[in-house]
Order: sequence, then structure tokens, then C-alpha cells
Amino acid sequence: GAVVSQHPSWVICKSGTSVKIECRSLDFQATTMFWYRQFPKQSLMLMATSNEGSKATYEQGVEKDKFLINHASLTLSTLTVTSAHPEDSSFYICSSRVSLAGGLSSYNEQFFGPGTRLTVL
Amino acid sequence: DAKTTQPTSMDCAEGRAANLPCNHSTISGNEYVYWYRQIHSQGPQYIIHGLKNNETNEMASLIITEDRKSSTLILPHATLRDTAVYYCIVNTNAGKSTFGDGTTLTVKP
Repeated sequence: GAVVSQHPSWVICKSGTSVKIECRSLDFQATTMFWYRQFPKQSLMLMATSNEGSKATYEQGVEKDKFLINHASLTLSTLTVTSAHPEDSSFYICSSRVSLAGGLSSYNEQFFGPGTRLTVL
Repeated sequence: DAKTTQPTSMDCAEGRAANLPCNHSTISGNEYVYWYRQIHSQGPQYIIHGLKNNETNEMASLIITEDRKSSTLILPHATLRDTAVYYCIVNTNAGKSTFGDGTTLTVKP
């Protein structure tokens, strides 16, 4: 299957600093990527949909000025957590949607990155 | 996207079949059923998906009821490495995935 990588896999930063997380599709081009956040013992929460060459679409309650998303190429989307605070500590996961051929028709499949663990002190 | 309901947790003996149910009574005609699993501290992994026919791949089988209001993921011979949180998601083929709470499957020796 398609491979999605994330960098870094973990990061520790001081409160007030900004952190950039990269999401790359390694062997395919992704016009659409998704960013999720997961707190301990909770499910994944969709933050935003990242579209190559256009502005991201944010879910309700997600601050677009705090979580900056850039999808400048078909293989790279970045999430920048600006002015991070301890409550932003979480597991951030990206995914890419790929169109695959299956039987008589094509279908879309999501491939997820391994996640980035952010700890804000 | 249609809402799904899954049991919070299930246990299964190693080597036995694990049957994970999912209710999606409000599914619409163009929505697919997808199953993913997440092993601790990793990104979710795609397992299988289907529209209305039963599906099987190297990982699992998916049984969808005729009215499409529920489905069951079957792991035919569970191993300890299958211990994970299993998510059932319904959405359109081009839609975003909204995760519910999933089922924590614990495979025991």
C-alpha cells in the first residue's frame, strides 16, 4: 500500500514556541490530506482537510490561525502549531486519500502516517 | 457522515475468530463501510471496506447485512498482534473519515 511519513515522530517544545509537523506521501501524489489530533485514551478528531494549492478547510472549533496548514505540493502538507501551549500536547496524525482501482470501479482509500507526539512544557 | 455504534471492548482467545460488530442504521445509499485499526501510539491502518457485498482480503472479512444497517468485521484467526482499537466508519467514497470511539479488542493467550 501507499506510504505516508511524518516528521518529526516526537517533539518537545517550550510554551509559546511554534512547531512544524511535516506529512509526506512517499510513493504517490495526494491532492487531499487530512490532519487529525488524538488525546490520550480518546479517538481521532479531524482538524482540517488540506487541499493542494488551496486553503485548508477547518472543522468547527479548530482555530485556523493557531493551526496553520500548508499544502504546497502534491507530496507534502505541513501543520504548524503556533504559540503552542501545554493543552496543545497531543498525538497529531495525517492521512492521504488515494484513488485505487478495484474491480469494475475505483475507490478511495486513506493511508495514515505514523503520527507525531507533541509535548509542550 | 452516518454515525456508527460499536461495543467499547471485546476479548478474544488467540487462534479463534474475532467478530467485531458495528451498527450504522442511518447509512445512506452512497456510503461505504470502512474498517481501520490502531495499535497503541501508531497511526490507523486500513483493514477492509465494502458497499453492500461481503468482502474478504488477506487481513479480514467484512459481512454487511442486506439492509446495510450493520456489519461485522471478522478476523479469522486472531493473534496477539491483532490487539488494537478497531474503528468502523461510514462515509462516501470521496469523503473524510470521522472516527467514533471504536472497539478495543484484546486477544488473550
